[in-house]
Amino acid sequence: GQNIDQPTEMTATEGAIVQINCTYQTSGFNGLFWYQQHAGEAPTFLSYNVLDGLEEKGRFSSFLSRSKGYSYLLLKELQMKDSASYLCAVRGSGTYKYIFGTGTRLKVLA
Amino acid sequence: DTAVSQTPKYLVTQMGNDKSIKCEQNLGHDTMYWYKQDSKKFLKIMFSYNNKELIINETVPNRFSPKSPDKAHLNLHINSLELGDSAVYFCASSQGPGTGELFFGEGSRLTVL
Repeated sequence: GQNIDQPTEMTATEGAIVQINCTYQTSGFNGLFWYQQHAGEAPTFLSYNVLDGLEEKGRFSSFLSRSKGYSYLLLKELQMKDSASYLCAVRGSGTYKYIFGTGTRLKVLA
Repeated sequence: DTAVSQTPKYLVTQMGNDKSIKCEQNLGHDTMYWYKQDSKKFLKIMFSYNNKELIINETVPNRFSPKSPDKAHLNLHINSLELGDSAVYFCASSQGPGTGELFFGEGSRLTVL
């Protein structure tokens, strides 16, 4: 079966660092994606990992461990505009599907 | 220029009616998808087409029928609407089947009364 787990909600303070975890069990693996979705808007692509390790993109970094079925998204220097849902998605091997987790709603407080 | 555009953005209709949602992408991508996002914000794949050919057909009631007249367009027709069909429907595209990231349209919020 396919299972992707994320915490439902997180709260953090402006200027802080937050780590959003994602664990997955899927039939095959061919990449993990993170998306940001503001309320009432479309998901937008943040980062992609296919090999183990850390990918950094400005204030956002994403880490992958394939052996542990684990990824995290790290957001630094949090801003109010980072309040959104963060979706982890896995692309299976030999399949065209992108399977999404339930998303983590992040609230950034002043 | 919107990369992936859907119409309409909002649909309010009665149970039993039939409705359609249209999607167009101008990214030159080969593959398009329909996702359903329920009230708990869970995004679930419904269908995917690659260059007009159906490649993903999840366990979706056959009241839902996708159509792709060309690789830039993917429409979704829903017959005999039910209360449980109320959701936001997102169209997305990718360069190829399972290639690159997904680009999403703005979503079509369907409310069935």
